[in-house]
Amino acid sequence: ILNVEQSPQSLHVQEGDSTNFTCSFPSSNFYALHWYRWETAKSPEALFVMTLNGDEKKKGRISATLNTKEGYSYLYIKGSQPEDSATYLCASMGYQGNLIFGKGTKLSVKP
Amino acid sequence: NAGVTQTPKFQVLKTGQSMTLQCAQDMNHEYMSWYRQDPGMGLRLIHYSVGAGITDQGEVPNGYNVSRSTTEDFPLRLLSAAPSQTSVYFCASSPPTGTYEQYFGPGTRLTVT
Repeated sequence: ILNVEQSPQSLHVQEGDSTNFTCSFPSSNFYALHWYRWETAKSPEALFVMTLNGDEKKKGRISATLNTKEGYSYLYIKGSQPEDSATYLCASMGYQGNLIFGKGTKLSVKP
Repeated sequence: NAGVTQTPKFQVLKTGQSMTLQCAQDMNHEYMSWYRQDPGMGLRLIHYSVGAGITDQGEVPNGYNVSRSTTEDFPLRLLSAAPSQTSVYFCASSPPTGTYEQYFGPGTRLTVT
């Protein structure tokens, strides 16, 4: 994998559903994996930064895992709420400090 | 703290004109970067800097210059604007904690006609 790839591109869920997204990244020259939340008309905000294989991070109903050996990360949202509607971006950072972003997963949560 | 500030918020240029997008942060962050955001393309890194006096190219550096003479400021220069540079530009900075979590500015919407 040469680029950072995210799936799905978009997701529509009902309030209360749990959901997850995937981020695939090159496992060579890997330093850190970032997740950001991006609401319409705002700037991206950091959710998690993970560096170690097996890392798991949690913030409220949102959690993330990291597998650096196979080059993927999952973001989980438990019990989605309408305010979770946003685009979720992941980015892979190399040792030089360069960040490569995926195109994002757009989540819409219906009340 | 004002965080990361960008000026202007909006700008319209004619092809061939030059301009500088300003970015400043008051958090004493060493790492600063510029991204452009285009529909269907996500955020793409233009240039970045790991400290004053040090800059490096990202994915899409052509047509842009940067300099980092102070820790606080990281201006992005368009030397000769082209319609392909119509985009939303985000500046970001990150603290020297080792994780490089990015703090983004509000963005500059640039249109080149």
